[in-house]
Amino acid sequence: RKEVEQDPGPFNVPEGATVAFNCTYSNSASQSFFWYRQDCRKEPKLLMSVYSSGNEDGRFTAQLNRASQYISLLIRDSKLSDSATYLCVVNIGGNNRKLIWGLGTSLAVNP
Amino acid sequence: NAGVTQTPKFRVLKTGQSMTLLCAQDMNHEYMYWYRQDPGMGLRLIHYSVGEGTTAKGEVPDGYNVSRLKKQNFLLGLESAAPSQTSVYFCASAGQGAGNYGYTFGSGTRLTVV
Repeated sequence: RKEVEQDPGPFNVPEGATVAFNCTYSNSASQSFFWYRQDCRKEPKLLMSVYSSGNEDGRFTAQLNRASQYISLLIRDSKLSDSATYLCVVNIGGNNRKLIWGLGTSLAVNP
Repeated sequence: NAGVTQTPKFRVLKTGQSMTLLCAQDMNHEYMYWYRQDPGMGLRLIHYSVGEGTTAKGEVPDGYNVSRLKKQNFLLGLESAAPSQTSVYFCASAGQGAGNYGYTFGSGTRLTVV
């Protein structure tokens, strides 16, 4: 089993739709979690951290389920500009601060 | 505030040539990383550094060397380039402290080895 697994998609949704991505991780000692966004041929950029209590940033909501070892990202009222690849990232801890990266979920928001 | 700057942005090498990729960050971050990204493979860690003067191997270190002589700079060297090293290379840095442990990335170097 991969350390971080994501459905690669692509998810094709119309503007205004709500879409959700899940990501599972295998290391129960994982300490922190993130969603990154990567546009085509660009660098990954931090979208949001994922906290145990769940967190929201505008149209984006991230949740963590430690018992089932998954995190989720919900995007409401999708915009064309949300089209990108969304990377699930897990910090398994330690002094080296290494992150484990999922392969990403591709989202295409259509007019 | 420039963040993380990578140079060059593009490069074409012939097999066997050498080159150095430079990563510079102005955020006083302790941790720096070199990744490569290939289609279908995701981000793979090449080497990383937990502070000035330190380096360590990641998952795919063969064919690469690194140096961190100054805290703000992390250099990635290819001594004898091979076509298998054709990729997009990203540098990233991360700071100390609680809260957000995310990385800041540079804009990448697209390397083609022919």
